[in-house]
Amino acid sequence: QSALTQPASVSGSPGQSITISCTGTSSNVGSYNFVSWYQQHPGKAPKVMIYEGSKRPSGVSNRFSGSKSGNTASLTISGLQAEDEADYYCCLYTGGSTSVLFGGGTKVTV
Amino acid sequence: QLQLQESGPGLVKPSETLSLTCTVSGGSISNSNYYWAWIRQPPGKGLEWIGSIHYRGSTYSNPSLKSRVAISVDTSRNQFSLNLNLVTAADTAVYSCARLKGYGDQEGAFDIWGQGTLVTVSS
Repeated sequence: QSALTQPASVSGSPGQSITISCTGTSSNVGSYNFVSWYQQHPGKAPKVMIYEGSKRPSGVSNRFSGSKSGNTASLTISGLQAEDEADYYCCLYTGGSTSVLFGGGTKVTV
Repeated sequence: QLQLQESGPGLVKPSETLSLTCTVSGGSISNSNYYWAWIRQPPGKGLEWIGSIHYRGSTYSNPSLKSRVAISVDTSRNQFSLNLNLVTAADTAVYSCARLKGYGDQEGAFDIWGQGTLVTVSS
C-alpha cells in the first residue's frame, strides 16, 4: 500500500477536464512542496509533467496543471485528448534525496 | 543529450543478489545538483523508489528495502550500480535508473529515465 493515495482510475471524454488527487498526510504532502507528476504510456519510461507542485517543464502542454491544498496534491488535465490516455503517478521528494514516495498510480481513460 | 542505460542479468535465482549498472552518456555523473536513482515497477503495478546516490557517495534508500540494498557510484566510468540481495519472486520487476534533481530549479523531479530492464527472479 502506497503512502500516497491516488484513485485507481479516472475517465473523461475528449475535450473535458479531469483531476487526479494524491492524498498523503501532514507529515509528507502537507509538509513538503516537492510534488511531481509523471505520465507513463504502456511499455514506456515515465515522463515528468509537473514539478514543485505546479510548474511545467519546457515542452509539456499547458493543458496540464498542478496544485496542492493541505495534504492533497492534484493534477488537472484540461481539454482531454486521446494521447493523454496513460498511467499517472504522483511523487513526493522530501529534500536532500532522503526520501521519495510514489503514489499508487491512476489509469486515465479517454 | 544525456542518456541513461541499464545493464545486467535478466534472470536471477531466489536468495541470490540482483546486480545492475546504469551508464550515463552525453554528460557527467559528477554534477552536484543531481542524485542518481533506482526505481522499480513490478509487472502491472506502480513505481517504487529503491534508492539514490550522489556522485560524492552519499546514499539514501527506501526503508522497506534498506537492509538488502547497496548503491554505489564509479565516477571514472560515469556509472552507478545497484545490488539487491536475498531476492525473492516479489523482486521481479522492471528496474529503471533515473536522474533526480536535488537542488535548484526542478528540485525533486526525475527528469531523465533509462528505458528500464526486466529482471525476473526464478529458479
